[in-house]
Amino acid sequence: AQSVTQLGSHVSVSEGALVLLRCNYSSSVPPYLFWYVQYPNQGLQLLLKYTTGATLVKGINGFEAEFKKSETSFHLTKPSAHMSDAAEYFCAVVSSGYALNFGKGTSLLVTP
Amino acid sequence: DGGITQSPKYLFRKEGQNVTLSCEQNLNHDAMYWYRQDPGQGLRLIYYSQIVNDFQKGDIAEGYSVSREKKESFPLTVTSAQKNPTAFYLCASSSQTGSRYEQYFGPGTRLTVT
Repeated sequence: AQSVTQLGSHVSVSEGALVLLRCNYSSSVPPYLFWYVQYPNQGLQLLLKYTTGATLVKGINGFEAEFKKSETSFHLTKPSAHMSDAAEYFCAVVSSGYALNFGKGTSLLVTP
Repeated sequence: DGGITQSPKYLFRKEGQNVTLSCEQNLNHDAMYWYRQDPGQGLRLIYYSQIVNDFQKGDIAEGYSVSREKKESFPLTVTSAQKNPTAFYLCASSSQTGSRYEQYFGPGTRLTVT
């Protein structure tokens, strides 16, 4: 079964600093990978996705992620954190029936 | 505006009562999903449906039931058999063509059972 592991349940960065949220996947087939963001008491919003093609994927709000098959990773980055980036971030991989298997999430705190 | 609506946003029930959570979409998506979210656990799949009148159990289906009588609607019933029903419930949908793996989420329903 396809699965993802997010390293670090909480990440804290200063405003303007690099954001790096880690996600490793396990899959017996070429994976389709996603990053979602969730603000408190809201649903999930898609940040970006990797299906096939270019391994560096750009998403909304200045985020990007790079698919690295050799490292089984799909880490999320943003060059300069903004206060509005504070949220919960979820990595996910497509599983059976097109459902998604989610990681446990990483809470991003941005300090002034 | 196309999207997914879930109602109500907050729901309170007494233990032993069944409760039904609503999920409606106007995106013309074939597939719909129910997830449960608990703090520190991520999202876990309860049920999913790829077509009207058909649905499959997810990882944590025990104590839940669903129906899919219309393409637009996928209600979830939390039965009294569910041991820990208090949670945040999220409904999602996706197309079976084009970007078929991309799921769109509703705003969620927070259920509290006392």
